[in-house]
Amino acid sequence: QSALTQPPSASGSPGQSVTISCTGSTSDVGGYNYVSWYQQHPGKAPKLMIYEVSKRPSGVPDRFSASKSGNTASLTVSGLQAEDEADYYCSSYAGSYNVLFGGGTKLTVL
Amino acid sequence: QVQLQESGPGLAKPSETLSLTCTVSGDSVSGYYWGWIRQPAGKGLEWIGRIYSSGNTNYNPSLKSRVTMSVDTSKNQFSLSLSSVTAADTAMYYCARGPGIRAIIDFWGQGTLVTVSS
Repeated sequence: QSALTQPPSASGSPGQSVTISCTGSTSDVGGYNYVSWYQQHPGKAPKLMIYEVSKRPSGVPDRFSASKSGNTASLTVSGLQAEDEADYYCSSYAGSYNVLFGGGTKLTVL
Repeated sequence: QVQLQESGPGLAKPSETLSLTCTVSGDSVSGYYWGWIRQPAGKGLEWIGRIYSSGNTNYNPSLKSRVTMSVDTSKNQFSLSLSSVTAADTAMYYCARGPGIRAIIDFWGQGTLVTVSS
């Protein structure tokens, strides 16, 4: 099974919005509403930002939103702030008790 | 607040077995799935597998032949063994709560670096 496909990089200026895509197949992203997004700052463990496609855990700012269309999930960060600069990873249930991650997207706040 | 802490040797020799333990505090391991995820330096995340508190396991198909996980509810710990390691297994290894039924990983350990080298 291949990793989910994410763009290597994304960028935006403070206050702007940026969207990161995560493309899979009907066997994973398209087949289940179990897509999560994780934020990882350098040298730190990943942090859950979104689960079940579009739900935010307690404490995650509502500047972070997500959705899914077909085999592609998307994470949008609105009102970019300096602290949003990090790597972002999507993940999806892939059937047969398997979980796939995306390759990661480095978000730069210009 | 659930906290997880990985422990184990930071160095493993090629062809040998890598063994790590994760100690959970702030909650019981009972009733949850617990997993291992790894990340080679500068690269992405790779799910290794998960174990339920009852001992049921699921492994990444690409690693399944080399992975064994176990849980010790009396110590509130779970463990990972990865056999026949090579340099390609050098990575930061994270223990975590999940992924559960909804494939959510909601708490992560800080990670432990394991280097495979002779």
